[in-house]
Amino acid sequence: QVQLQESGPELVKPSETLSLTCTVSGGSVSSNNYYWSWIRQPPGKGLEWVGYIYYSGSTKYNPSLQSRVTISVDTSKDQFSLKLSSVTAADTAVYYCARVVWQLVYFDFWGQGTLVTVSS
Amino acid sequence: QTVVTQEPSLTVSPGGTVTLTCASSTGAVTSGFYPNWFQQKPGQPPRALIYSTSNKHSWTPARFSGSLLGGKAALTLSGVQPEDEAEYYCLLYYGAAQHVVFGGGTKLTVL
Repeated sequence: QVQLQESGPELVKPSETLSLTCTVSGGSVSSNNYYWSWIRQPPGKGLEWVGYIYYSGSTKYNPSLQSRVTISVDTSKDQFSLKLSSVTAADTAVYYCARVVWQLVYFDFWGQGTLVTVSS
Repeated sequence: QTVVTQEPSLTVSPGGTVTLTCASSTGAVTSGFYPNWFQQKPGQPPRALIYSTSNKHSWTPARFSGSLLGGKAALTLSGVQPEDEAEYYCLLYYGAAQHVVFGGGTKLTVL
């Protein structure tokens, strides 16, 4: 069974860049059946889709974040990564990574999530 | 900006039946939106329940079912158990832009 694990700094200063990595085990990011996605959830609030990436590097981003988001993939390490620039306190959230079965557009396996706090 | 709307909260008695809905600001929800439903309990990641309107994952309890109802996606829980108390989120796919949007969530209380 595939497992996903987020990793990265838990504290980021305002105006800096948030960087997270999702490591996939029990499966491969190079499979042509899947996209790989980032989703976030501010404390006490709902889920927000950030974006997703295909193993080829093709990406789609949430329009509200598009100017600040970059998602990349490293097939040699079975990892994909998120960079969010110019962060503010509003970017404080639990960040999840997830697998997307593209043929029927469903998110099946999720990581446990990591809380990233933006504060000086 | 596309908005996906769910009931903020619902209450159901143990053993009862409840239906949660998911509406799109763009109009009627169809199977082409590939509706997903997720359950989230405090401190846990979301757990996928339903995909493509009505398909269950291997781990989804039989009491959960998905459908289209009156232009919305719907999640019905039949024979509700105390452990079903949770937040439920829907997700819709917008094919033209290849984007997805989550609903705001429904807090289900079993009382």
